[in-house]
Amino acid sequence: EAGVAQSPRYKIIEKRQSVAFWCNPISGHATLYWYQQILGQGPKLLIQFQNNGVVDDSQLPKDRFSAERLKGVDSTLKIQPAKLEDSAVYLCASSLLAGGAGELFFGEGSRLTVL
Amino acid sequence: AQTVTQSQPEMSVQEAETVTLSCTYDTSESDYYLFWYKQPPSRQMILVIRQEAYKQQNATENRFSVNFQKAAKSFSLKISDSQLGDAAMYFCAYRSAPGTASKLTFGTGTRLQVTL
Repeated sequence: EAGVAQSPRYKIIEKRQSVAFWCNPISGHATLYWYQQILGQGPKLLIQFQNNGVVDDSQLPKDRFSAERLKGVDSTLKIQPAKLEDSAVYLCASSLLAGGAGELFFGEGSRLTVL
Repeated sequence: AQTVTQSQPEMSVQEAETVTLSCTYDTSESDYYLFWYKQPPSRQMILVIRQEAYKQQNATENRFSVNFQKAAKSFSLKISDSQLGDAAMYFCAYRSAPGTASKLTFGTGTRLQVTL
């Protein structure tokens, strides 16, 4: 079974530029998550989708971050304009169940460096 | 809001020995789930073990077991017979139950080194 796919793996941009990350979840997983993991910290949830609807985006900096999940499958996370503090690994995860004890399956992450 | 605290930034264990990673959490809820996730260097995070708060029995998965102390809000991970492949970052995580909007909250992680 194919895992969660993310691209690009690495991206270096200058501040005020824009960047987009793509995620393809495990087939059949209705729930998709984007996490931000800053060096030395645990992952922080940015946004959670259930199919193509947003369940939780309370920690998404909406003035610069946006995310969409078209047709309830792939998802894109965009940052525009980027700030230095956005340097982090962006993790995409998916799960069969929306909550409870359901296991999250993570991708390898997209590492963003903002100069 | 729930918080998860891992007070050990780094731990080291010799191969074949046992190590315990600590985790405490803060919540006012009575029903929830707790998890330990492993993040090997440059590889994706994977689930190690999970525990439902309503279950008194501690979860066990092969060499991995937990010590769940609900009253103390403590959830430690014990790794027995440590192997080189156990070297990774370990994250403790909390999730409210039930509800579709219950997000997974992670601690800051413990880096485990395994030495020969």
